[in-house]
Amino acid sequence: AQRVTQPEKLLSVFKGAPVELKCNYSYSGSPELFWYVQYSRQRLQLLLRHISRESIKGFTADLNKGETSFHLKKPFAQEEDSAMYYCALSGQGGSEKLVFGKGTKLTVNP
Amino acid sequence: EPEVTQTPSHQVTQMGQEVILRCVPISNHLYFYWYRQILGQKVEFLVSFYNNEISEKSEIFDDQFSVERPDGSNFTLKIRSTKLEDSAMYFCASGTGYNSPLHFGNGTRLTVT
Repeated sequence: AQRVTQPEKLLSVFKGAPVELKCNYSYSGSPELFWYVQYSRQRLQLLLRHISRESIKGFTADLNKGETSFHLKKPFAQEEDSAMYYCALSGQGGSEKLVFGKGTKLTVNP
Repeated sequence: EPEVTQTPSHQVTQMGQEVILRCVPISNHLYFYWYRQILGQKVEFLVSFYNNEISEKSEIFDDQFSVERPDGSNFTLKIRSTKLEDSAMYFCASGTGYNSPLHFGNGTRLTVT
């Protein structure tokens, strides 16, 4: 079964501190992993996907198949990073639907 | 930048009534989806639609639900006889291809009383 687990419902850090939002997944094949972000009163939008291997707004995420993780990291958090972050999984070669985690609400304090 | 638009932003209906949630996907997109998020819970997949037919649906998407692309631009979700537990935020999304990143609308908040 496809499952995405985000263990932290809430995460609070101070501006300039490193931040890591955890995501673990369960999938029998080779999934495609995504991070979506939802800023206050805005729509869900793609932040990054693992196949792109790029850094967006200073965020990076590395797919670790051994640990089945796709943690989102940023070395120096900014106040504008405060948002809901959703990790999501899509199966390759099969279902195209996204399976979401429950989300982590990140608050970056001044 | 083109966006997925959803109307209305908030719909209140009585239990047992039919509701239609409307979405206008991005014009060159071929894959269309509905997701929902019950308050405090995760975003859940309902249905995907491609080439004028449902390509996949979840167990939530029972006979009370239907989708339609009536005119080549709108993509609608109909709930035939709403239940209290249908109260949720409903998100429409569209994409250009298989496993492409999805573009989401702002959502319709459905409240069933």
